[in-house]
Parts: sequence; structure tokens; C-alpha cells
Amino acid sequence: KAGVTQTPRYLIKTRGQQVTLSCSPISGHRSVSWYQQTPGQGLQFLFEYFSETQRNKGNFPGRFSGRQFSNSRSEMNVSTLELGDSALYLCASSHGQGDFYGYTFGSGTRLTVV
Amino acid sequence: AQKVTQAQTEISVVEKEDVTLDCVYETRDTTYYLFWYKQPPSGELVFLIRRNSFDEQNEISGRYSWNFQKSTSSFNFTITASQVVDSAVYFCALSEARRGSYIPTFGRGTSLIVHP
Repeated sequence: KAGVTQTPRYLIKTRGQQVTLSCSPISGHRSVSWYQQTPGQGLQFLFEYFSETQRNKGNFPGRFSGRQFSNSRSEMNVSTLELGDSALYLCASSHGQGDFYGYTFGSGTRLTVV
Repeated sequence: AQKVTQAQTEISVVEKEDVTLDCVYETRDTTYYLFWYKQPPSGELVFLIRRNSFDEQNEISGRYSWNFQKSTSSFNFTITASQVVDSAVYFCALSEARRGSYIPTFGRGTSLIVHP
């Protein structure tokens, strides 16, 4: 059974640009969540998508957005990049309903903003 | 207020020593889940254990054991006879119900360094 796949693994962008990250969940999982990990703030929840709808949202500015497709794949977009957006972005998938068995995480996308 | 506190930022031990990673959580919910994840240098968060709030049984899995005590809101993790491969950052997480989902809130992590 394939795990959670995140692409790309590494990305270097310039301040002011925008970036799109992709996440393919485990087959059958309908919930996809995104986290930002930085040394200063730790792991912070960005948002969760379930059945193509944003179900939960963390405390991030509107520059951070996402979407989910009918096949449960999700994308995260960050517009007008700032230096502080440099981080490891982790995606996690789960069934999203019924008994909660936790999230399976991908290997992450390491974004560097210069 | 921090919902999950991992007071130990970094722990350094020598191989074969036992080590306990502490986790204290805070919640008003009666139904919640607790997790431990391991993050090796590759970055992926690897699931170790899940506990729901109604199951206070301690668990042992090989060299790993977990002690869940609701009375002290703690969910501690012990590695017996540590090995170099155990070197990683370990995260404790609390999942509470939120709009039909259980979103994990993570502690700041404990970096474990096991020296040969």
C-alpha cells in the first residue's frame, strides 16, 4: 500500500513568488491535512480538507490556501512568499470519518525562500 | 496555553541506557487521542502509538513502552536499552474533536541523541 506522497521534496523560491505543493494521500483516505514545521514554531496546523471541502483551518494568513480534488489529492499554495515561510511542509492523510486511527504523514516538502 | 508540553528539549544518552521522554497534555474534552511520532533526519513523521482517553492501559512494544496516566495528564514514553538508530526527534500529540475531525496538536518535540 503506497504511503503519502509529497512533491516536490525540495524547493527554492524567491521572496514575492508563489509556490504550489502537492500531496497524494493513501488510497481510500479522504482527509488531508497540512502542517508547517519550523525550528521556531514547531509543527503548526495549516488546514484540513475532507471530500474536497476545507473542514478545519489553523491561524495562518490568507496567503496560505489549499484545495482538494475529487481523487483526494491536495495542493497547498502560498502566495507572495516571505523569508519566514521557509519551512518543512508536511502533509498527512486519514480516513476522515469513523474511528480515528491517526494520521499518516508524508516525507514533506522543504521550502527555502531567498 | 500550550496543550502539549514536552519539557525536555534534548536528551543525550549512551547506547544501552534507558530513557524516558515526558509528555504532559491539557484538554477539557472527555474523548481525545494521544500519539507519539518519531521524526528521523529524513523528515517524515513515523507513527509509534495511539491511545484514546478511555484506555489507560500501559503498552509495551519491544523496547518501547508507554505510560498513560489521566490523573496527571501525562503520556510518557520509555525506550529500554537505547540504540543509535533511536536517535531522532520524538513528538507527542493530542487530538481533540473539531468539526468532525480530530486535529493533532503537537508538542515542541524532544531530540534524542544516542551515542555509541
